[in-house]
Amino acid sequence: DAKTTQPNSMESNEEEPVHLPCNHSTISGTDYIHWYRQLPSQGPEYVIHGLTSNVNNRMASLAIAEDRKSSTLILHRATLRDAAVYYCILRGAGKSTFGDGTTLTVKP
Amino acid sequence: GAGVSQSPSNKVTEKGKDVELRCDPISGHTALYWYRQSLGQGLEFLIYFQGNSAPDKSGLPSDRFSAERTGGSVSTLTIQRTQQEDSAVYLCASSISNRGQGNQPQHFGDGTRLSIL
Repeated sequence: DAKTTQPNSMESNEEEPVHLPCNHSTISGTDYIHWYRQLPSQGPEYVIHGLTSNVNNRMASLAIAEDRKSSTLILHRATLRDAAVYYCILRGAGKSTFGDGTTLTVKP
Repeated sequence: GAGVSQSPSNKVTEKGKDVELRCDPISGHTALYWYRQSLGQGLEFLIYFQGNSAPDKSGLPSDRFSAERTGGSVSTLTIQRTQQEDSAVYLCASSISNRGQGNQPQHFGDGTRLSIL
């Protein structure tokens, strides 16, 4: 299975932008890049996904490198409620493999 | 609409007992996944169902673990002769058909927290 690599933890100040990186150098041509986040005692929540082009939705933006070997989740203005573990995964046919994610701490 | 529902939310049992965990996926979702999450860790894939196809069981850690999905909807994960290392949160997710493509998001339940004494 294609693997993703993320930093273990990141910190941000409230109301500032946050850029969460993800490396996926073994991505295949048909794999989609998905981001999920998990709050304590909850299941993961879908954030955004993309294939080649950058994507925007109400929660975040996803910037995908031209060679698709890396991507960045962008939270435009971090709030305290954005503190969570963020997972970057690759989804193709069948199962998905989650790594350990990035724990985002947001400081007031 | 209703999301993925898992029951029970918490389960405490003695070592050696069998347990059954239930997952009700979102109506119309043909793909269903089970994951295990140990404390402070990421998600570990267990099993994947897609419609009437044979399930992908490649993540099941031992033959004490099994899962079935009846009528293409509800799924049950069974752990026989539980061990203390089985203690974890068991998460279920569903998605619209994922045949040959990964452009459908997974929708997760809040999991069953299993504690083996």
